[in-house]
Amino acid sequence: GAVVSQHPSRVICKSGTSVKIECRSLDFQATTMFWYRQFPKQSLMLMATSNEGSKATYEQGVEKDKFLINHASLTLSTLTVTSAHPEDSSFYICSARPLLESGFSSWAFFGQGTRLTVV
Amino acid sequence: AQSVAQPEDQVNVAEGNPLTVKCTYSVSGNPYLFWYVQYPNRGLQFLLKYITGDNLVKGSYGFEAEFNKSQTSFHLKKPSALVSDSALYFCAVSVSGGGADGLTFGKGTHLIIQP
Repeated sequence: GAVVSQHPSRVICKSGTSVKIECRSLDFQATTMFWYRQFPKQSLMLMATSNEGSKATYEQGVEKDKFLINHASLTLSTLTVTSAHPEDSSFYICSARPLLESGFSSWAFFGQGTRLTVV
Repeated sequence: AQSVAQPEDQVNVAEGNPLTVKCTYSVSGNPYLFWYVQYPNRGLQFLLKYITGDNLVKGSYGFEAEFNKSQTSFHLKKPSALVSDSALYFCAVSVSGGGADGLTFGKGTHLIIQP
């Protein structure tokens, strides 16, 4: 199956600093990538949808200035949590969608997630 | 707006017994349905999907799911559970088969297989 690599897997940062999370599709091109947030013992909540070369579309209630998304190439999307605060601590997961004609069985593939802890 | 309900927080099954993890959905339009499995501090692994065609879908690791349009359900099943099946299972739905939209997930069901 296709591989989506997310880095870092864990990060601890001080309150007020910014953290960048990378999401790479290693063996396929992804015109669309998605960022989710998962709170403990809860489901994944879609934060934003990013398309290569264009601005991300944010879900209602997600601050676009707080969560900066860049999708500069067909294999890389980044999420930057700016001026992080303890309430931003969470598990962030990206997913990448292969092109329809690429023949992959899944609709989307997920990264392994990033555990962000803001202290 | 679309939604997914997984009515059970936890399902306990003895090893070797059949298992069922329930999922119902609500969408306007034709649903695209998915099951994913998550192990602790890991991303999601794809199990299976229903887009169109046969209502019974077979997926990875011996799992299968049946799409029931009248009951708006997509329950996950396996004939004989393994201890290694213990994990968190998510049902998800999209109304965009073209992939323009992200997935809407249920809250997840912890599956515990007892030896």
